[in-house]
Amino acid sequence: GAVVSQHPSRVICKSGTSVKIECRSLDFQATTMFWYRQFPKQSLMLMATSNEGSKATYEQGVEKDKFLINHASLTLSTLTVTSAHPEDSSFYICSARREGREFAYNEQFFGPGTRLTVL
Amino acid sequence: KQEVTQIPAALSVPEGENLVLNCSFTDSAIYNLQWFRQDPGKGLTSLLLIQSSQREQTSGRLNASLDKSSGRSTLYIAASQPGDSATYLCAVPFNAGGTSYGKLTFGQGTILTVHP
Repeated sequence: GAVVSQHPSRVICKSGTSVKIECRSLDFQATTMFWYRQFPKQSLMLMATSNEGSKATYEQGVEKDKFLINHASLTLSTLTVTSAHPEDSSFYICSARREGREFAYNEQFFGPGTRLTVL
Repeated sequence: KQEVTQIPAALSVPEGENLVLNCSFTDSAIYNLQWFRQDPGKGLTSLLLIQSSQREQTSGRLNASLDKSSGRSTLYIAASQPGDSATYLCAVPFNAGGTSYGKLTFGQGTILTVHP
């Protein structure tokens, strides 16, 4: 159990276009999901916390108007990179926190990642 | 601010060796610690979660230990195989509650190569 999917796995787009990435928890509900980006040979950098039914919380230095997050249901969060530019090219990974008394506190499960290339 | 450090940054071993990966954290007020592996170009796979009240957690050839008071965790891999080659990351919750609830602080990872 505890599977998280991301779609698409890879996307190439032209500069100036917007790209939407979906993160789904397939077999559990998640009121909280997290979005990370990862540069080559570096660890994950948290971008924002996605909260079901409320606004996302962004980390310092992350532009909320650039990276739009929508967490419309207990199993789906979306990240939209608006007006993408080459510097937005990166590997984007989401995680979902599994909740419930029967589970470990704050155990998170990660999606397979989305490789974004902006030309 | 919680800081997580992993040593060594890279490790290359022959197949069959037992090995230890180290993780240290500066703030011992943690609820748990997670170990993940990441294959190149892929997401993270959760390996083990060890609660703050636990000393050890085992899954197959993997054993994670936690010494909360000294801010250390180790991941022990027995009888390593080429398929174990990956980057191993440890992570702790950034804060126990409040607005930081659930955020993870990651170490930089240990790149493991197991050669036949």
